[in-house]
Amino acid sequence: DAMVIQNPRYQVTQFGKPVTLSCSQTLNHNVMYWYQQKSSQAPKLLFHYYDKDFNNEADTPDNFQSRRPNTSFCFLDIRSPGLGDAAMYLCATSRKIKDPSGTKNIQYFGAGTRLSVL
Amino acid sequence: AQTVTQSQPEMSVQEAETVTLSCTYDTSESDYYLFWYKQPPSRQMILVIRQEAYKQQNATENRFSVNFQKAAKSFSLKISDSQLGDAAMYFCAYRSASYSGSARQLTFGSGTQLTVLP
Repeated sequence: DAMVIQNPRYQVTQFGKPVTLSCSQTLNHNVMYWYQQKSSQAPKLLFHYYDKDFNNEADTPDNFQSRRPNTSFCFLDIRSPGLGDAAMYLCATSRKIKDPSGTKNIQYFGAGTRLSVL
Repeated sequence: AQTVTQSQPEMSVQEAETVTLSCTYDTSESDYYLFWYKQPPSRQMILVIRQEAYKQQNATENRFSVNFQKAAKSFSLKISDSQLGDAAMYFCAYRSASYSGSARQLTFGSGTQLTVLP
């Protein structure tokens, strides 16, 4: 069963037309992340939410915004997509867990949304 | 800032053989976590194996094992009895043991594309 769900899997938008990508989770994790992954490159963190606290990466363009209305959902808004914003966008979640083997904090990823900009 | 380096953009292995993927990292921290993630084509990224820096024992998950050399800052992944389903992009990742602010993020290497030959 999918635990981190991203919709849609494929999104096409026009240059400059706002677009929203969504992520939901059934894990009840308190941290949610958005990564941008361009072709054959490593994922690059855009921002993350720790509970309701928004943490932006210093080099994330202002064009990218995020909303987290509740624990389960997180949205990535691209206000004016450019051709360079075409990429795979990955959502991930995590929660700090302590068990007999120690402390664990594993990120679980969604399948991603591939964004094309025409 | 931490950096993660994967010096092998591509690797190939014959089915049923063993392959080792290399990863080195740079950090001034003494406590951290290291991960190997697998990303099959058009599918979501999944965790393969994780290692806590404070544990000397190398992590093992079925056919996957690591060789963690803390002093050398090296974290290689060994895949034994390779299967066709192992073909994927493999990312090495680092995360601080601290759980505040930007320390929560994963720092990824550039990835190694593994091909499994029948």
